[in-house]
Amino acid sequence: DVKVTQSSRYLVKRTGEKVFLECVQDMDHENMFWYRQDPGLGLRLIYFSYDVKMKEKGDIPEGYSVSREKKERFSLILESASTNQTSMYLCASSLNTGGYTDTQYFGPGTRLTVL
Amino acid sequence: QKEVEQNSGPLSVPEGAIASLNCTYSDRGSQSFFWYRQYSGKSPELIMFIYSNGDKEDGRFTAQLNKASQYVSLLIRDSQPSDSATYLCAARPGANNLFFGTGTRLTVIP
Repeated sequence: DVKVTQSSRYLVKRTGEKVFLECVQDMDHENMFWYRQDPGLGLRLIYFSYDVKMKEKGDIPEGYSVSREKKERFSLILESASTNQTSMYLCASSLNTGGYTDTQYFGPGTRLTVL
Repeated sequence: QKEVEQNSGPLSVPEGAIASLNCTYSDRGSQSFFWYRQYSGKSPELIMFIYSNGDKEDGRFTAQLNKASQYVSLLIRDSQPSDSATYLCAARPGANNLFFGTGTRLTVIP
């Protein structure tokens, strides 16, 4: 079974703090993704990575950065947290065979509240 | 813009009935499509994917794809209260990314 874990289920931070969200997968997947999910807006891609040290911006990268130093680990960084970054953050991973059916598997999510 | 549209619902069906969930997509280059189920407060979990026109069955679930109409659907036969969740449709226009719809909330009434 694919296992994607995230460092925290719930996190409360103050405005202006630097926030790190960690994601680890144990299936040797090449691709890793960070999404945020908000009511009525669905899942929106923040960043993804297709290899170590590689990253691509998604639809809403502003205010976020990422780091992938090891294949199994993908970190999302909020440089200076703001209240509009209060959301559910979901990490996912997938193989990168180039085939149609490379499936994304999700971690349990981190519900971040910025006060 | 690569959009995936779903009716947000809620869709209510009685226990034992067929639930029909629909999804349209705008990017004709999309090659494969995924259905995820998401329980309240939980993360999405894959139900099934489809990439060929026609029907694909997996247990009580059937995915249907019509590329000419840019339409994907998910049928759930013999619906159970445990099927009550939000169902996310996703299209894959490129090598890596998925574009998700906002989801349809399904309630199965005992």
